[in-house]
Amino acid sequence: QVQLQESGPGLVKPSETLSLTCTISGGSISTYYWSWIRQPPGKGLEWIGYIYNRGSTNYNPSLKSRVTILVDTSKNQFSLNLRFVTAADTAVYFCASAVAGHSFDDWGQGTLVTVSS
Amino acid sequence: QSALTQPASLSGSPGQSITISCTGTSSDIGDYNYVSWYQQHPGKAPKLMIYGVSRRPSGISNRFSGSKSGNTASLTISGLQAEDEADYYCNSYSSGSLRWVFGGGTRLTVL
Repeated sequence: QVQLQESGPGLVKPSETLSLTCTISGGSISTYYWSWIRQPPGKGLEWIGYIYNRGSTNYNPSLKSRVTILVDTSKNQFSLNLRFVTAADTAVYFCASAVAGHSFDDWGQGTLVTVSS
Repeated sequence: QSALTQPASLSGSPGQSITISCTGTSSDIGDYNYVSWYQQHPGKAPKLMIYGVSRRPSGISNRFSGSKSGNTASLTISGLQAEDEADYYCNSYSSGSLRWVFGGGTRLTVL
């Protein structure tokens, strides 16, 4: 079982960039699929994107123009950058792992990011 | 509006069986055997309960089972227990929108 832990600022100003990091243990960051998923308060889940194979990415088309996911194999971390945020980006952000890329096997505890001035 | 349609709420008594449906299209559930189901308790992260339509991860009770027929997937929980009270989400890949899509979630209440 893979352990994941999100970290980053809990408050971001509108129009700025949301940046989060996920630190993993118990798995190979070079071989699994690593996802970001978010959940606005009181609402459902939305897949943001994932990175795999040491740098290949696949993003949700609705967010693609604003999203970048990167991996740092030396630190066993992967990151999320979401640019030009608005209040609609306020959500709990989860990182998750997938061995084969067909389901989200293990999840971090999630971190709430609020977009507000 | 979510890409996959689930009932907003369901309820059942301890010991009963319930089934949660997840309706999609021929571009998602109907096209792939990549349906998965997640359980989420309040304030917690989702937990994988079923993957590949009907496979259970190690450690998941055999009271949980999944199936698919056409464009609709189902999660059945047998022998309902109080601890099963949670939100449940289905998920599938969509070739129509080129993304992984979730259902809107079903709140299960154990009476």
